[in-house]
Amino acid sequence: ETGVTQTPRHLVMGMTNKKSLKCEQHLGHNAMYWYKQSAKKPLELMFVYNFKEQTENNSVPSRFSPECPNSSHLFLHLHTLQPEDSALYLCASSQELAGRTYEQYFGPGTRLTVT
Amino acid sequence: AQSVTQPDIHITVSEGASLELRCNYSYGATPYLFWYVQSPGQGLQLLLKYFSGDTLVQGIKGFEAEFKRSQSSFNLRKPSVHWSDAAEYFCAVGGNKLVFGAGTILRVKS
Repeated sequence: ETGVTQTPRHLVMGMTNKKSLKCEQHLGHNAMYWYKQSAKKPLELMFVYNFKEQTENNSVPSRFSPECPNSSHLFLHLHTLQPEDSALYLCASSQELAGRTYEQYFGPGTRLTVT
Repeated sequence: AQSVTQPDIHITVSEGASLELRCNYSYGATPYLFWYVQSPGQGLQLLLKYFSGDTLVQGIKGFEAEFKRSQSSFNLRKPSVHWSDAAEYFCAVGGNKLVFGAGTILRVKS
C-alpha cells in the first residue's frame, strides 16, 4: 500500500544522536497519528494532529518531539533516546468528522533500535 | 471511556479449518468497529469495518465479522484458514478516538 509512507524503515541510533522519522499520507485525510508498538505491549498512541494542530499528547517524554507542517506530513524528532525507546513506530492517518474518528490507515512503520 | 478486550492472546488452527477471533468492546454510544491485521514488522492493514446497517460485514481476504449489540461483541470469522493468514489481529472501537485491543496472534499449522 502507498497511502501512507514512512521513512526510514529501519533506524539504529545512539543515545546521544538526533534523528527524525518522516510520515506522508496521500489520502487527503485531516488527522495524523504517531503510535509506538513495543514487543508484548499494546499499541500506544503518542500524538494526534488534526488539521495540523496537536490535539493529543499522551504523556510522551520530551525527547520525542512531533511536527506537523501540513495535513499530509508528520515528523517525529528524536533526541537523547533511551534503550527502552526501541520499538516499531507507526504513523497513521484518518478522516475526522464531527468529533468522530473513522478508520485509520497505517504506514509500514520505522523499526527503531537505540544502542 | 472506550475499551476493547481480545480474550485470546494466541490461537492455533489447522490450515483449512474455520477461525473465530473474539472481540468485546465497551462504548456508551453506537460504536464504529474495526478489525486490522499485522504481519511481522509491518503496519496494520484494515480488514473490515462496521459503522451501521447490516450487522454482518464482509472484508478483504475472505474475512467477515458480526456485530452483536446485546453481547457487545464484534467477532472475526473466516470459514477456511490459509497459511498466509498467520499474523496478529487487532480489534478496535472508534468514538472520538480509536482504541485498540491487545491483539490475538494467529498461528496456522499445516
